[in-house]
Amino acid sequence: GQNIDQPTEMTATEGAIVQINCTYQTSGFNGLFWYQQHAGEAPTFLSYNVLDGLEEKGRFSSFLSRSKGYSYLLLKELQMKDSASYLCAQTDSWGKLQFGAGTQVVVTP
Amino acid sequence: DTEVTQTPKHLVMGMTNKKSLKCEQHMGHRAMYWYKQKAKKPPELMFVYSYEKLSINESVPSRFSPECPNSSLLNLHLHALQPEDSALYLCASSQALGGGETQYFGPGTRLLVL
Repeated sequence: GQNIDQPTEMTATEGAIVQINCTYQTSGFNGLFWYQQHAGEAPTFLSYNVLDGLEEKGRFSSFLSRSKGYSYLLLKELQMKDSASYLCAQTDSWGKLQFGAGTQVVVTP
Repeated sequence: DTEVTQTPKHLVMGMTNKKSLKCEQHMGHRAMYWYKQKAKKPPELMFVYSYEKLSINESVPSRFSPECPNSSLLNLHLHALQPEDSALYLCASSQALGGGETQYFGPGTRLLVL
């Protein structure tokens, strides 16, 4: 199977910046997704990277390095509503998503 | 509009019951997915349909039976489930089947098997 590693939990204060790292196996790689999931709710799409570099979408940015098998999600100007689990997911050419275990981000006042 | 709807929101069933989960999307997507998610774990893929045909079955036990009656609907028929099958069942859809296609998830059905 494919191993996707991301930290279990991160804590930061409102207004701060948090970077969630994700490493994956490069064989069969066809893209890297980030999803946000609040407790008891469905995952919602945040970003997709298939080429190296940084993609910026408002307060959220995602970076990919294919040669290193590495991605990160950057959350800026943290808000309380950003407290959630953030799932890194690798896709293959079929579109099968292999999720990491998720990083629980806790935003404190 | 990126809405995927699922019914029911919650379901409690006994091990001898037969029930069905329903999923619907009106985005013209031609790929639809069933995932199972246990508490504090990531979603795990169960089935994938592409153009109403089953494309991927991730070795799911036969007590789970998917059906895609048309391009907008996806069902999951449940029979003789076990308590360990209790989980959140998520439906997703994407424009097509392929590595670059974004999957959009429905709100899920929370299933409890007694």
